[in-house]
Amino acid sequence: NAGVTQTPKFQVLKTGQSMTLQCAQDMNHEYMSWYRQDPGMGLRLIHYSVGAGITDQGEVPNGYNVSRSTTEDFPLRLLSAAPSQTSVYFCASSYGQSYYTGELFFGEGSRLTVL
Amino acid sequence: SQQGEEDPQALSIQEGENATMNCSYKTSINNLQWYRQNSGRGLVHLILIRSNEREKHSGRLRVTLDTSKKSSSLLITASRAADTASYFCATTNDYKLSFGAGTTVTVRA
Repeated sequence: NAGVTQTPKFQVLKTGQSMTLQCAQDMNHEYMSWYRQDPGMGLRLIHYSVGAGITDQGEVPNGYNVSRSTTEDFPLRLLSAAPSQTSVYFCASSYGQSYYTGELFFGEGSRLTVL
Repeated sequence: SQQGEEDPQALSIQEGENATMNCSYKTSINNLQWYRQNSGRGLVHLILIRSNEREKHSGRLRVTLDTSKKSSSLLITASRAADTASYFCATTNDYKLSFGAGTTVTVRA
């Protein structure tokens, strides 16, 4: 199993450009999520999904869109990139967020710079 | 806003010593988890403790949870150079997992 795969690993954008960060998992996980990690701020939840066709907002959703058409894929779209979106983005998945599970499996991250 | 806050922000210890870090959180939780992140990598799950548990062990890791104080601690015994990493606590409430800012641990040889 590849686990959680994120592409691209590095990206440089100009202000106003749009792009999509890809995330795929091969573990048949229902739950998928996107976090951004900034120095000294830990990880902040952007969007999450509890199954195909279901998405919801996290702590910092503005400027980002997501969709979940399949169980495997959960792309994150930046509509009009801003320098404040310079960050490291992590995709993570889980069997579920139930009382008994909840362990997240993370990808290796996508490092985005917006000039 | 972040749910968990780790303390200290940074910790430097000698190989073989124990490392202790704490996590405080604000609201009720279903469970609390600890993750490790090596430099430039994704996070790796270490241990999960449920809200009705008080202590849990996994290898050289010991986690405690005090729901009355809304706090948890992670103890790494007999530290090794490979334990050098950032450690994050994360609390689960509904379908959201909220992370703290982390403790950076450096183990000196």
